[in-house]
Amino acid sequence: DARVTQTPRHKVTEMGQEVTMRCQPILGHNTVFWYRQTMMQGLELLAYFRNRAPLDDSGMPKDRFSAEMPDATLATLKIQPSEPRDSAVYFCASGLTNSGISPLHFGNGTRLTVT
Amino acid sequence: GQQVMQIPQYQHVQEGEDFTTYCNSSTTLSNIQWYKQRPGGHPVFLIQLVKSGEVKKQKRLTFQFGEAKKNSSLHITATQTTDVGTYFCAGLMNYGGATNKLIFGTGTLLAVQP
Repeated sequence: DARVTQTPRHKVTEMGQEVTMRCQPILGHNTVFWYRQTMMQGLELLAYFRNRAPLDDSGMPKDRFSAEMPDATLATLKIQPSEPRDSAVYFCASGLTNSGISPLHFGNGTRLTVT
Repeated sequence: GQQVMQIPQYQHVQEGEDFTTYCNSSTTLSNIQWYKQRPGGHPVFLIQLVKSGEVKKQKRLTFQFGEAKKNSSLHITATQTTDVGTYFCAGLMNYGGATNKLIFGTGTLLAVQP
C-alpha cells in the first residue's frame, strides 16, 4: 500500500533549537498539506502546496516557521527557533487535486516536544 | 480561527447505542470529507460528499450533506467498541482561483463502553 512517510516520528528538543520535519508524499499526488494537532486547537492547517508551489501558508507563524518542497518527493517544515508552545503532533497529508480534491492520505505524524 | 465546528465535542455511549456528530460551516463548502482518528493514530479517510442533500451509507455509518452545503452529519447505528476514536469532518472551501482549502472541523471524540 502506498503511504505518506514522515520523519522523525518523535522529536524532543530544547527551546531555541531548529527543528526540521520531513514528509514523502504518495507518488503521483500533486497536493501536500501540513497540519498541526493539539488538544486545544484540533487540526490546524499550516500550509499547503500544489505541484510543489506554495498556495497558502497563512496558518503558519511566519517569523519562525517555513515550509518548502524542494522536489516532488520531499516536503519539509522547519521551526527556527522552536518554542515550548510549538509542542504538538505535526501531520503531513497528500492528495490529488483536479477540480476537487481526492481523499487525503496522512502520515503517522511527528510528535514534537519542546522543553 | 476555526470555521468548521462540530458538536458534540465528546460523546460517551453504551455499546449498541446510536451516535451522531454534526458539522457546521460558516461558509458554503465545495464538498465535505469525513475522517476517523483512532487514539494515537492519524486521520483516516472515510467518505466524501459532493452534492447538495447527498446521503451515503457505509454499513452502520450514514453520512449526510446539507441542502445548503454548509452542514453535514455522521450517524452510527448500534455502536461497537471498534468505533472508538475521534471523527472529523473536513470542508473544502473555495477561496477563488486555484485555491481550495481543506479545513478540518473541531472533531467529536466517541467513547464506547462495552
